[in-house]
Amino acid sequence: KQEVTQIPAALSVPEGENLVLNCSFTDSAIYNLQWFRQDPGKGLTSLLLIQSSQREQTSGRLNASLDKSSGRSTLYIAASQPGDSATYLCAVRRWNNDMRFGAGTRLTVKP
Amino acid sequence: EAGVAQSPRYKIIEKRQSVAFWCNPISGHATLYWYQQILGQGPKLLIQFQNNGVVDDSQLPKDRFSAERLKGVDSTLKIQPAKLEDSAVYLCASSLGQLAFFGQGTRLTVV
Repeated sequence: KQEVTQIPAALSVPEGENLVLNCSFTDSAIYNLQWFRQDPGKGLTSLLLIQSSQREQTSGRLNASLDKSSGRSTLYIAASQPGDSATYLCAVRRWNNDMRFGAGTRLTVKP
Repeated sequence: EAGVAQSPRYKIIEKRQSVAFWCNPISGHATLYWYQQILGQGPKLLIQFQNNGVVDDSQLPKDRFSAERLKGVDSTLKIQPAKLEDSAVYLCASSLGQLAFFGQGTRLTVV
């Protein structure tokens, strides 16, 4: 069974800082890994998807990396803004489409 | 492209009552997921469908929860009877290929 862990559980930073969110998983036989953002009371918005054959993906100020062999992914946010405040979730999908989530990192960016 | 539709958005019921949630996935998406997200936690997979067949329901409390996906399109998730600990957001997601897309969720409060 795939176990997904996210560290830290919560993070508070001043505006403008670069930050890294971590996701680890126990079964390296994955199909892909997807990072989501969740605002309070809302559904999940997809940020980045990394296929199992890829090592990183970039979108604007976001960069996600994947190291399958060590069971880790990181989400790097550059020049953080108050609008980045949200919960960030990683989801790991296996080849049978089984998709499991971590508990999330709650990010607060202070103006 | 229309997203994943869920209804109702909110539901308040008394314990021991029954409730049903509805999900309409993105057209053509073969994989459909139901997740339970308790406040402060990551989404927990309840059931995964591939077309109208169940792929994984190992975490579905089958004594009180049931789900179906007739004709491989819409899906309903039912709880009967509800308990206080069922209070959560119920998220539906669909997927075709790499990306998964989520609905806004149904927030259930059991009193």
